[in-house]
Amino acid sequence: DVKVTQSSRYLVKRTGEKVFLECVQDMDHENMFWYRQDPGLGLRLIYFSYDVKMKEKGDIPEGYSVSREKKERFSLILESASTNQTSMYLCASSSPRDRAETNYGYTFGSGTRLTVV
Amino acid sequence: AQSVTQLDSQVPVFEEAPVELRCNYSSSVSVYLFWYVQYPNQGLQLLLKYLSGSTLVKGINGFEAEFNKSQTSFHLRKPSVHISDTAEYFCAVSKKAAGNKLTFGGGTRVLVKP
Repeated sequence: DVKVTQSSRYLVKRTGEKVFLECVQDMDHENMFWYRQDPGLGLRLIYFSYDVKMKEKGDIPEGYSVSREKKERFSLILESASTNQTSMYLCASSSPRDRAETNYGYTFGSGTRLTVV
Repeated sequence: AQSVTQLDSQVPVFEEAPVELRCNYSSSVSVYLFWYVQYPNQGLQLLLKYLSGSTLVKGINGFEAEFNKSQTSFHLRKPSVHISDTAEYFCAVSKKAAGNKLTFGGGTRVLVKP
């Protein structure tokens, strides 16, 4: 069964700490994404990556950075955690659009609930 | 830029009753459309997707959705809900053209009552 695995289910960090959220997929997907989920706001895109070492800003990149050194791994970095970054973080991957359209879709991890105190 | 509006933030419904969750989108280009479900303390699971072809799409767990291009809608329906359908449902859209981002609506929380 294909999977997107997020390394931590729950995290509690202190304000000002540098935080790493890890995501690994086993589907050989080129595209990977980081979203945050907040009540009433749905999921908002933070960053995404189309290939190794490539990254693009999403809708809310401020306060975040990403790293993609290997195809299967996409890391989200909070350079200096703040309380307004307390949220659920979801990682996803997808195949490129030029593969068979019927297989086109996104697979999500189970999420990391981050609390910054 | 594309956007998605889910018109109801919460929908209470009795068990075995039908439910419809409304989703409207805006985009200047052709899109793919998705519905995801999130059960408590879990990630997102794909219910169904519209890529092309028939505008009536059938998904898992008895759900179906109809793509209406003229009304830019993709409403989700189930004729008879179960307690286990209590969850949050998200509508999402991505452009068919270059660029692969999923844009989500704000979500609709469905509470099925006995």
